Amino acid sequence: TQLLEQSPQFLSIQEGENLTVYCNSSSVFSSLQWYRQEPGEGPVLLVTVVTGGEVKKLKRLTFQFGDARKDSSLHITAAQPGDTGLYLCAGLYNFNKFYFGSGTKLNVKP
Amino acid sequence: NAGVMQNPRHLVRRRGQEARLRCSPVKGHSHVYWYRQLPEEGLKFMVYLQKENIIDESGMPKERFSAEFPKEGPSILRIQQVVRGDSAAYFCASSPPSGLDQPQHFGDGTRLSIL
Repeated sequence: TQLLEQSPQFLSIQEGENLTVYCNSSSVFSSLQWYRQEPGEGPVLLVTVVTGGEVKKLKRLTFQFGDARKDSSLHITAAQPGDTGLYLCAGLYNFNKFYFGSGTKLNVKP
Repeated sequence: NAGVMQNPRHLVRRRGQEARLRCSPVKGHSHVYWYRQLPEEGLKFMVYLQKENIIDESGMPKERFSAEFPKEGPSILRIQQVVRGDSAAYFCASSPPSGLDQPQHFGDGTRLSIL
């Protein structure tokens, strides 16, 4: 079983549409990170959220950490083809190790 | 200002051979993590090391797999007597010594194929 569940698993949208990706768990995390991974490359960190209820914005990307620090969401406004990739959330559990979700594969069509 | 360097990028082995995967962390980083990724899936934690110490190896199979991070030189993930099921991408990440909640910097991985 996955400690972190991501949904949806796959998402294919048209350029200009909005989307939200979810990362859920029944466990509490010390912090949560979002990564983007392109084929043949390693994940690249987008953001780290630490405080329950925290919202961070990175241009067209908005990240939110749930009040109870068990879940998080990533919202992309006006998606562009360059946003295409695998989006991964990773939670720091018990200040011990990182658990990754299974990822959301996003395809933005021009 | 090099990031995490992993080599080789691609490794082909026959069943029963040994595979050695190398990871040079970002300069000054003393924490190294190894992950395994299957196609279209997320990363599975394998092992967490600090210089000369294994901190957590709970994600690594007890048999055939070992990891080290010596005082000098890269971290090594070693797989003995490889089997087809070992085929995957193996990623290494490093982070600074100031805490586990620091960002992890990932290498571009080693893609291991077992014939």
